[in-house]
Amino acid sequence: ETGVTQSPTHLIKTRGQQVTLRCSSQSGHNTVSWYQQALGQGPQFIFQYYREEENGRGNFPPRFSGLQFPNYSSELNVNALELDDSALYLCASSSGTPGLSEKLFFGSGTQLSVL
Amino acid sequence: AQKITQTQPGMFVQEKEAVTLDCTYDTSDQSYGLFWYKQPSSGEMIFLIYQGSYDEQNATEGRYSLNFQKARKSANLVISASQLGDSAMYFCAMSATGFQKLVFGTGTRLLVSP
Repeated sequence: ETGVTQSPTHLIKTRGQQVTLRCSSQSGHNTVSWYQQALGQGPQFIFQYYREEENGRGNFPPRFSGLQFPNYSSELNVNALELDDSALYLCASSSGTPGLSEKLFFGSGTQLSVL
Repeated sequence: AQKITQTQPGMFVQEKEAVTLDCTYDTSDQSYGLFWYKQPSSGEMIFLIYQGSYDEQNATEGRYSLNFQKARKSANLVISASQLGDSAMYFCAMSATGFQKLVFGTGTRLLVSP
């Protein structure tokens, strides 16, 4: 059973550019969530996808968007990058219907640096 | 809105000793879940333990136990018999009603010395 994999592991962009981060969920998992972790902080929820539909969104502007594909892999897109977007982006997957007790399986993240 | 507070930026413990990492939470929900995750330097968040708000028994998973005190709104993690591999960041998190959004604290860095 493969775990959650994210690509790329590191990325450097400049202000104003666009970026796409990718995530392959753990086998059998149909829910994907994305989190942003700034240096020295806990992860913050960006959004969640369940069976290809957005199923909740955190306090992030519309330039953060996502997709989930039929194989349950996912993309996070960020347009018009800002310096404050520099962070570790974590993808997490889970199985079953989203609920309070469902534990998330995280990938190792993509470290994004915006210059 | 949910909030998690971890007041210990760093903790030190000697190998084989027990250590308690503090976590307090705030929510107006009656039904919620509390989690602890470990984040080694590789970046991956590793699930350790879960406690539901209606669970009467404290959760245990091997060397990890969760000291759940509902009236005090605390969910402290106890690691028994610390190992060098336990050195990492530890995050307390809470699940919000409706879906699997997790609200995380700022974390505690644990260093285990020989």
